Amino acid sequence: DAMVIQNPRYQVTQFGKPVTLSCSQTLNHNVMYWYQQKSSQAPKLLFHYYDKDFNNEADTPDNFQSRRPNTSFCFLDIRSPGLGDAAMYLCATSRDTVREKLFFGSGTQLSVL
Amino acid sequence: ILNVEQSPQSLHVQEGDSTNFTCSFPSSNFYALHWYRWETAKSPEALFVMTLNGDEKKKGRISATLNTKEGYSYLYIKGSQPEDSATYLCAPSNDYKLSFGAGTTVTVRA
Repeated sequence: DAMVIQNPRYQVTQFGKPVTLSCSQTLNHNVMYWYQQKSSQAPKLLFHYYDKDFNNEADTPDNFQSRRPNTSFCFLDIRSPGLGDAAMYLCATSRDTVREKLFFGSGTQLSVL
Repeated sequence: ILNVEQSPQSLHVQEGDSTNFTCSFPSSNFYALHWYRWETAKSPEALFVMTLNGDEKKKGRISATLNTKEGYSYLYIKGSQPEDSATYLCAPSNDYKLSFGAGTTVTVRA
């Protein structure tokens, strides 16, 4: 009974070709996060939504955008993927503040050719 | 973003042995600390959320302690089993977001 679902599990795109990763949740949580993890490094927060309020991290490249059309869905758009954007992208949700645990999807592994 | 260090980066444990590893973080303005277990090809799963100095939490054979004054947390695995093989991530917070460490990868040998 997956509660945070990410599609696809593996995504291959070409250099410069826009790509969208999707995340959905059945938990009705207020907060949704996108993390990027490059091999064996710490997951890095790209941005998060608190309900409809979008919060971008200062060092997230402009190439990365996000949409949250409703409570259940959140999308990560990479407008012009570069080779350096190849990574695992994790979506997570939480009910409220960071004193609540995060629920993660299984991630999307992005390859850029 | 906080500077979070987890050590060791990896360790191998014999089945049945106990082990522990460390998460270090800046002690100022502490708000919360999370531990997650991430098994290969699965989603990271929350183990503990800790907020108080001196907190000790336990889930089965796994337990954690927290020292917010000196900025560290220990995770203990008692009587390691092969199913404990995973990467363990810690993530402290001093505001609205978590800063993850790179994790400690535990491999339990049968």
